[in-house]
Amino acid sequence: GAVVSQHPSWVICKSGTSVKIECRSLDFQATTMFWYRQFPKQSLMLMATSNEGSKATYEQGVEKDKFLINHASLTLSTLTVTSAHPEDSSFYICSAGGGTSRYEQYFGPGTRLTVT
Amino acid sequence: AQSVTQLGSHVSVSEGALVLLRCNYSSSVPPYLFWYVQYPNQGLQLLLKYTSAATLVKGINGFEAEFKKSETSFHLTKPSAHMSDAAEYFCAVSEGTGNQFYFGTGTSLTVIP
Repeated sequence: GAVVSQHPSWVICKSGTSVKIECRSLDFQATTMFWYRQFPKQSLMLMATSNEGSKATYEQGVEKDKFLINHASLTLSTLTVTSAHPEDSSFYICSAGGGTSRYEQYFGPGTRLTVT
Repeated sequence: AQSVTQLGSHVSVSEGALVLLRCNYSSSVPPYLFWYVQYPNQGLQLLLKYTSAATLVKGINGFEAEFKKSETSFHLTKPSAHMSDAAEYFCAVSEGTGNQFYFGTGTSLTVIP
């Protein structure tokens, strides 16, 4: 149980275009979803927290107009990187909280974004 | 405020030797503690978790960790390292409200044949 999927697992896009990453909780209802960014050889950096049906709460320094987060249902959250630039290239990981646990997060497999 | 410290960003051990990865936390409330492993270009895999039950927690792949409140530590150990244990390891703490996590900076484990 508590499986989280991400799609796509790997994406290459051209500079200036937008790319959407999906995060799904497959077997539980995720009341809260988290989006992280991870640079090579570094820890996870929390970008934003979203609750179903509400606007996402962004961490300090994260551009909300650049990283659009939508959590329209209890099983799906999306992250859209708008007008992507090479510096947006990174590994993006989502996680979901909820179900029977109030303290645990369940992590997706991550999405590797490369902007050329 | 919560914080997690992982001492040693890089640890090297010989195959068959003891693995010890250190994690210390600060928390104003009883914490929930986690260890994750990450292989290259993959997400986080849960190794084990402490949720206020037994202080010695056994996880997957032969790993275990002991919660020591007096030392505010949750060190990860494995008696005998295997080549497949080479990966990045992250310690994380949750306060138990809103599922908010705080991650350590990670420790890269190298296993020498």
